[in-house]
Amino acid sequence: GAVVSQHPSRVICKSGTSVKIECRSLDFQATTMFWYRQFPKQSLMLMATSNEGSKATYEQGVEKDKFLINHASLTLSTLTVTSAHPEDSSFYICSAYSGGAKYEQYFGPGTRLTVT
Amino acid sequence: GDSVTQMEGPVTLSEEAFLTINCTYTATGYPSLFWYVQYPGEGLQLLLKATKADDKGSNKGFEATYRKETTSFHLEKGSVQVSDSAVYFCALEAGNNRKLIWGLGTSLAVNP
Repeated sequence: GAVVSQHPSRVICKSGTSVKIECRSLDFQATTMFWYRQFPKQSLMLMATSNEGSKATYEQGVEKDKFLINHASLTLSTLTVTSAHPEDSSFYICSAYSGGAKYEQYFGPGTRLTVT
Repeated sequence: GDSVTQMEGPVTLSEEAFLTINCTYTATGYPSLFWYVQYPGEGLQLLLKATKADDKGSNKGFEATYRKETTSFHLEKGSVQVSDSAVYFCALEAGNNRKLIWGLGTSLAVNP
């Protein structure tokens, strides 16, 4: 199947700093990428939908100025957590959709963010 | 709004036992239904899917049937293996925007 990578896999940062997480589709072009947040023992929460070349669409309750999403190419989307705080510590997962009738989203392995 | 309800875990079974993980949904229209699996340390992978009523998705010995009358998509496997130990997520996709609505996930541990 198609491969989606995320970098970094783990990051620890100090409160007040910004962190960028990359999501890449390695062997296909992703017209749409999704960013999720996963809390311990909870389900995935969709944060935003990212379409190449256009502004991301954020879900209700997600601060777009705090979670900056850029989808500059068909193989790369980035999520920047600005002015991170301990409550932003979480597991962030991206998925990529290649379009067409396959219905399948391909998921990255996730990034564990810890804000100290 | 649309939602997915999944049985709570953790589920612990012995090897070769029968597995059922219940999943029910509420949705307007006719959603597509999915089971995803997350093995330890890995990303989510699509396990199987069904796109219309009475469809049966199957993969790696797992099966789930799209039951519109009971709004269910229960995951079953006749004989689990240690390698099936993972977290299983039920999800639905309604509409054309490709957004997935997720269940809480069920952790499965299979002991030898």
